[in-house]
Amino acid sequence: GDSVTQMEGPVTLSEEAFLTINCTYTATGYPSLFWYVQYPGEGLQLLLKATKADDKGSNKGFEATYRKETTSFHLEKGSVQVSDSAVYFCALRKEPGYQKVTFGTGTKLQVIP
Amino acid sequence: DAGVIQSPRHEVTEMGQEVTLRCKPISGHDYLFWYRQTMMRGLELLIYFNNNVPIDDSGMPEDRFSAKMPNASFSTLKIQPSEPRDSAVYFCASSLTRGRGDDEAFFGQGTRLTVV
Repeated sequence: GDSVTQMEGPVTLSEEAFLTINCTYTATGYPSLFWYVQYPGEGLQLLLKATKADDKGSNKGFEATYRKETTSFHLEKGSVQVSDSAVYFCALRKEPGYQKVTFGTGTKLQVIP
Repeated sequence: DAGVIQSPRHEVTEMGQEVTLRCKPISGHDYLFWYRQTMMRGLELLIYFNNNVPIDDSGMPEDRFSAKMPNASFSTLKIQPSEPRDSAVYFCASSLTRGRGDDEAFFGQGTRLTVV
């Protein structure tokens, strides 16, 4: 079945450090890929998305590129801030019109001043 | 729009009691999802509805769990009887089908359930 694998957390970084959170997926066909973020005490919210190979999703300084050859969608940010401290979820939807989303286990990021 | 609204935000109940969680999806959305989040198991999809009809309830852990969607603006998740291992944060989410693959799921703030 479809699945998403994320790197284990927590990840602790100093402010202005470079961030990478790895995500790989297993799916048949051409899934759409997402990163969601969950701030403390809140629900998940969409951070960025990509719907086909080589697409780059970006938002709030975060980027991820849909790599079909390596089945990956790694999240990156050049300079993290304390306000980026949250849990990040990689997710996939296996095809357009199919509404069920498969989430990874989440990676907790803590940014220290 | 106010977003997905869940109630209550926090619920503490005794083992064996019935618990009902409520969700109001975003107006016009045709899909509604119930998720459970725990430290051990992460985010699990329990059940989802399309146009008020349950489509997949394979994630519902036991017969003690049931969900209904009597109309497009309201859904409930009921646990009867509740057990301490049901303690978790329960999220409701809704989405609108546009068929392009990038449909976004909007989440509520969750209900933190503690069963003692």
